[in-house]
This record gives sequence, C-alpha cells and structure tokens, in this order.
Amino acid sequence: LAKTTQPISMDSYEGQEVNITCSHNNIATNDYITWYQQFPSQGPRFIIQGYKTKVTNEVASLFIPADRKSSTLSLPRVSLSDTAVYYCLVGDGDGGTSYGKLTFGQGTILTVHP
Amino acid sequence: NAGVTQTPKFQVLKTGQSMTLQCAQDMNHEYMSWYRQDPGMGLRLIHYSVGAGITDQGEVPNGYNVSRSTTEDFPLRLLSAAPSQTSVYFCASTRDSGNTIYFGEGSWLTVV
Repeated sequence: LAKTTQPISMDSYEGQEVNITCSHNNIATNDYITWYQQFPSQGPRFIIQGYKTKVTNEVASLFIPADRKSSTLSLPRVSLSDTAVYYCLVGDGDGGTSYGKLTFGQGTILTVHP
Repeated sequence: NAGVTQTPKFQVLKTGQSMTLQCAQDMNHEYMSWYRQDPGMGLRLIHYSVGAGITDQGEVPNGYNVSRSTTEDFPLRLLSAAPSQTSVYFCASTRDSGNTIYFGEGSWLTVV
C-alpha cells in the first residue's frame, strides 16, 4: 500500500483556513484517500474521502491533483475546537488483502490559537 | 446507534496478569481491528479480522491474541501483561477496507 507523509505539526489562528498536505507517491489505481480527525482521549473519526479532483462536505474539502500523488485537506475558518491530530490514509476498496495494511502513521498535530 | 463499543474503559493490571478487552459492533461490519496508541504516537495495528472465523496479525501482534467467533464481537486477549503494554487500545470496524472506519471510545490500560 502507498506510504503517506504528512507534516508532524502545524499552527494556525482562529478564523484562518488551514491546508494539510499528504504525500502518497506510490498510490495505486484503486486507492482512495481518506482523512481522519482525532481529539485527545477519543478514537479517530472520519472527516472526508476522495478519489480524484475535489470533494467537499460540511466539515472540510479535499483536493486531489490529477496525478493523485498528494492530497490536501482544507479546513475553512478553523476554531479552537479544530485542534486535533489529522491522519491521511490511502487504501483500496478491494477487500481484505489491504485492510490489514492500512496504517495511520503519526498524523499532523494541528494547534489552533486564539 | 451504539456503533463500536469497547469495555472496560479503564483497567489496571499487574505484570503477568491476563485479561480480555471486549469489542462489539452493531453495524454488521465484516472488518474489525485492534489498534494501540502510545503517548504522542499514531495508531499501530495489533490484529485484524476480515470476517467471522478469520483473523490475522498486524504490525505489533506479540503478546496479544484475538478470535472472531461472530461478526459482532472481536475480543483482544492479553496473555501475560507487561508494562510495555501500557497504552490506549482502540477497536475499529468497517464495511470493507475502502470505507469509513468506525472507532470505539478507547480502553486505557495500565500495567504495573
């Protein structure tokens, strides 16, 4: 499965837009890109998933360039409550052979300041 | 909707003791897994299952056993607890590997 690389940490201020980029140079044709958010003392929760181009939901946007070797999670107008760890995962939907290889890595620690 | 339920939430064990962390999901998901998360670290996969009766090792399986007798339940057994197993444990499930992974609330385990 594709290895992902993310910045270890980022800082922002309330009201700003935050973009977190994930590199996945070896992404396979069947791979989807999924982002998770984890607050302290909680399990990760799904934010957004995409395959190509742009996906937007009520929480975030996900930008994926044509070569799909990277992806950018965009959080509009962050607040203090967006302080969390953000994980980028790359994996396919073909079944069990890839499930055991999904890895979360260390993620990106986003700190939003007042 | 219960989702993924883990018990207990907190546990203190003495070195050498054994225990089982329970995990149940009510979403009829085929895929389940156990992760551990050490302070300041990402999640590491311990064991996973792609269906009832099927389990496999993840990244850090030593010292842990699992079984999957039903679709709903996926217990994690610590055979002989060691201080190195002090961690937060998360159970997770998903319909298939390309879909949203749902996590339990975590189980905080301290081995003294």
